[in-house]
Amino acid sequence: SQQGEEDPQALSIQEGENATMNCSYKTSINNLQWYRQNSGRGLVHLILIRSNEREKHSGRLRVTLDTSKKSSSLLITASRAADTASYFCASLGRGNSGGYQKVTFGIGTKLQVIP
Amino acid sequence: SAVISQKPSRDICQRGTSLTIQCQVDSQVTMMFWYRQQPGQSLTLIATANQGSEATYESGFVIDKFPISRPNLTFSTLTVSNMSPEDSSIYLCSVAPGFDQPQHFGDGTRLSIL
Repeated sequence: SQQGEEDPQALSIQEGENATMNCSYKTSINNLQWYRQNSGRGLVHLILIRSNEREKHSGRLRVTLDTSKKSSSLLITASRAADTASYFCASLGRGNSGGYQKVTFGIGTKLQVIP
Repeated sequence: SAVISQKPSRDICQRGTSLTIQCQVDSQVTMMFWYRQQPGQSLTLIATANQGSEATYESGFVIDKFPISRPNLTFSTLTVSNMSPEDSSIYLCSVAPGFDQPQHFGDGTRLSIL
């Protein structure tokens, strides 16, 4: 089963509106990261939230983590046309011995912000 | 944060040929990763490449098909061997100072096989 599944898979909003993307994962994690990918480019790291954190802010971005529900959300406030991109969550699993597993990327949310 | 240069940025190749992708980092980094991103899909980890040791391949990926070199802490190559149309993808390298740290990505190599 896939770790890190986002919903919605596609989201279209007007400039100035808020955009919320959700991510679910299946196993215990060490941390969860959000990335943005503009068309034809590599991924850019946005925020990392650790398993013992519940909320984190960075500029217009707010990330929450609910480990009891194995879910995270990314909120972009006051969206801009330049926010148009694909957004991926990536979870770092916790191994049985307490060590790290690989980072697993979700399927992504394609966000379109209409000017 | 590290700056990563990936070459080539894109290529169109013939079936049965091989292509080597280069990943150059502007600083020494411990961990380097190679991913495949098929059109419209998420990233799938091919292998983790650490300097001084053999690359660790994920399930479904083998060294004969995707040989990797990591000669030093700033450079790595991924070769896609005996290519078929199913290998048409974007191939991305990324680096991280540690396994639990954010990754920094190159812009990828967009590969099409005819």
